[in-house]
Amino acid sequence: EAGVAQSPRYKIIEKRQSVAFWCNPISGHATLYWYQQILGQGPKLLIQFQNNGVVDDSQLPKDRFSAERLKGVDSTLKIQPAKLEDSAVYLCASSLVGQGGTGELFFGEGSRLTVL
Amino acid sequence: RKEVEQDPGPFNVPEGATVAFNCTYSNSASQSFFWYRQDCRKEPKLLMSVYSSGNEDGRFTAQLNRASQYISLLIRDSKLSDSATYLCVVNDIRGSTLGRLYFGRGTQLTVWP
Repeated sequence: EAGVAQSPRYKIIEKRQSVAFWCNPISGHATLYWYQQILGQGPKLLIQFQNNGVVDDSQLPKDRFSAERLKGVDSTLKIQPAKLEDSAVYLCASSLVGQGGTGELFFGEGSRLTVL
Repeated sequence: RKEVEQDPGPFNVPEGATVAFNCTYSNSASQSFFWYRQDCRKEPKLLMSVYSSGNEDGRFTAQLNRASQYISLLIRDSKLSDSATYLCVVNDIRGSTLGRLYFGRGTQLTVWP
């Protein structure tokens, strides 16, 4: 079974530039998440989708971050303009049910962003 | 106060040793608990769920103390392949009807030969 696919794996940009990350979840998984993991910290939820609807985006910095999941399958996360503190690994995850269910999230390998 | 607190370590133990990790969580209404494992520069993967009665999976034992809001993970007979970061994860129903998983910062374990 194919896992969660993410691209690009690595991205280096200068502050104030924009960047977009793409995620394709495991087939059949209705719930998709974007997490931000800063070095030395645990993953922090940015946004959660159930099919193509947003369930939780309370921790998404909406002045610069946006995400969409058109057609309820793959998703993109955009940062515009980027700041130095956005340097992190952006992890996409999917699950069969919402986080209140089994709790098993399947993560992609992540997109490592460096902002200079 | 953070939702999930963990001692970041690092823990450096020889092969065959027994090692225990602990974490505490802030919301007494939290409903479910997990340990995830994250290898260096890799993605987190579910290691095991934590049940109220305690549960065991081979060399790994997880325990939950709801009264103290405390979760533990015990690894017996450590192997070199156990070297990783162990993330304590708590499902909190605040903010979303589906709940939200809060991850601790992780405890780093290195097993040496």
